[in-house]
Amino acid sequence: GENVGLHLPTLSVQEGDNSIINCAYSNSASDYFIWYKQESGKGPQFIIDIRSNMDKRQGQRVTVLLNKTVKHLSLQIAATQPGDSAVYFCAENREPGGGNKLTFGTGTQLKVEL
Amino acid sequence: EPEVTQTPSHQVTQMGQEVILRCVPISNHLYFYWYRQILGQKVEFLVSFYNNEISEKSEIFDDQFSVERPDGSNFTLKIRSTKLEDSAMYFCASGRGINQETQYFGPGTRLLVL
Repeated sequence: GENVGLHLPTLSVQEGDNSIINCAYSNSASDYFIWYKQESGKGPQFIIDIRSNMDKRQGQRVTVLLNKTVKHLSLQIAATQPGDSAVYFCAENREPGGGNKLTFGTGTQLKVEL
Repeated sequence: EPEVTQTPSHQVTQMGQEVILRCVPISNHLYFYWYRQILGQKVEFLVSFYNNEISEKSEIFDDQFSVERPDGSNFTLKIRSTKLEDSAMYFCASGRGINQETQYFGPGTRLLVL
């Protein structure tokens, strides 16, 4: 896949456990954040987003937490399944009110063990 | 569910040749993007496009690159004279609006320059 050779942080979890994937961002002016999932050979797939006026948002089996004080974003996946195995990227919009360019993080490889 | 589509899925070309990568964005979206991911690296922004003109481009997007929306559906990325370092996955994305709007990615075109 696209990330072969990339020394990604790896998170290994047992099937059924909860996963927490973390992301630090650098621009305090960023006002919009997205988590993407990328499976081998595929494009980034939208999971969940959050705006800077929120600190938590929940979707189906996923929760995103935003801590603007320490510029930290996390993705929590409940009851992790084998199909959740992928690389997860956080992306930020660093230009509020301007362009919509997304800046991606380096990604975390999630491995779900049976 | 509507999706961004891209063609071809794979393209092999000789250095110095021109390539055109094609994308069909989601039909009611107005903002279009190209990103690339070199093997082992992060997803990087190339260019954004709105109202038939470039709204933002990165330093990667030099004079060898151009984008066009020749009709109401296709969005193309042209690399005029490919270089070895252009080898990457190229992702098209589209979104409904600007600023805090989700971008949906296509499956990518894997470009290999020999």
